[in-house]
Amino acid sequence: SQKIEQNSEALNIQEGKTATLTCNYTNYSPAYLQWYRQDPGRGPVFLLLIRENEKEKRKERLKVTFDTTLKQSLFHITASQPADSATYLCALTGGGNKLTFGTGTQLKVEL
Amino acid sequence: GAVVSQHPSWVICKSGTSVKIECRSLDFQATTMFWYRQFPKQSLMLMATSNEGSKATYEQGVEKDKFLINHASLTLSTLTVTSAHPEDSSFYICSASDSGDTDTQYFGPGTRLTVL
Repeated sequence: SQKIEQNSEALNIQEGKTATLTCNYTNYSPAYLQWYRQDPGRGPVFLLLIRENEKEKRKERLKVTFDTTLKQSLFHITASQPADSATYLCALTGGGNKLTFGTGTQLKVEL
Repeated sequence: GAVVSQHPSWVICKSGTSVKIECRSLDFQATTMFWYRQFPKQSLMLMATSNEGSKATYEQGVEKDKFLINHASLTLSTLTVTSAHPEDSSFYICSASDSGDTDTQYFGPGTRLTVL
């Protein structure tokens, strides 16, 4: 069956360091992959989209990689700040534009 | 740009009553809107895909007669939870795709439904 796995344990890092979150998937051939940020009690906020033919994408302090051989995406936040603390979700779409979400990884950036 | 609103942001109702949740795209036209449900500490689960002017497509296991979806215009979709029960208590979130960029979905702030 199709699975999207994100580390369910919270990731705690120090301010200024780079946070790296992982999204692994099985039994999928996604056309593209997206990363969202979700704060408690709020809807997800779109961050980045990367297509199957793209290896890497950047936006300000954010960087996403997509390895379709390893079936993995890495999401990096450089120079992390306490305001970056949130849950980060990866989502896949195989066709059409239906999204399937992972369970998310909670990031805590400490002073 | 690309703002999606939901109303109400939270609602408490008695078991057996019906609740309507509105989802609006404020600054773009959305041919397609999506409805998700999220239980605590769990992922968003797609309930249905709503296309303007046509019947919604429901995901497996979602009762279409219980969760009525109407997408009457390019900026408004509604979800009505009929005869709500405590197990329907959840966080309901809608999203919309801009007609000019269907790859990206913009999410509303969510509606917290509590059924007593």
